[in-house]
Amino acid sequence: GESVGLHLPTLSVQEGDNSIINCAYSNSASDYFIWYKQESGKGPQFIIDIRSNMDKRQGQRVTVLLNKTVKHLSLQIAATQPGDSAVYFCAENMSGGSNYKLTFGKGTLLTVNP
Amino acid sequence: DSGVTQTPKHLITATGQRVTLRCSPRSGDLSVYWYQQSLDQGLQFLIQYYNGEERAKGNILERFSAQQFPDLHSELNLSSLELGDSALYFCASSGTVDTEAFFGQGTRLTVV
Repeated sequence: GESVGLHLPTLSVQEGDNSIINCAYSNSASDYFIWYKQESGKGPQFIIDIRSNMDKRQGQRVTVLLNKTVKHLSLQIAATQPGDSAVYFCAENMSGGSNYKLTFGKGTLLTVNP
Repeated sequence: DSGVTQTPKHLITATGQRVTLRCSPRSGDLSVYWYQQSLDQGLQFLIQYYNGEERAKGNILERFSAQQFPDLHSELNLSSLELGDSALYFCASSGTVDTEAFFGQGTRLTVV
């Protein structure tokens, strides 16, 4: 079946470096994508979202890029800090932008070394 | 703190038993979602309620059921538990179905 998957299960970076977390999706009908951050012992926390009519969206220290041609999503974190260490999930929605029925990827563990 | 409260935080029970997980959404949020997170399946959408009515169903087993009460809190009932039901169960809430969802801290269920 169609699913959202991540290229890299783990990513280790040095504090201050930029991080890039990648995600591939297979359903061309998906029109809404979200990145979540999950710290140990906590629930997923919304980071940033993007709709399919955009190819880039910026937040505070984060940028999401969407390439619909190759069905690829990435999350860029600028000046990565130890507090950014967490598991990052991409999620897609195939229902016109609503939150329900989000399909989550397996997650990428980001470790920031001081 | 997301404002979404889940109880209990941890639950250990035996196979064949039945448990109820509880979720209190953020104040004013009408929509509640339940997700299951396991090591091999990741985060899986189970079910969504909006203002007391079921809105969407995902990969929820027939042994599982949920409801949302008039005060908007929700309960997820898991019955005839199997070892494979061991997982983290998250509740999330949002104001409407088209806004950001906030997740609770989860209930860790261990079936022994």
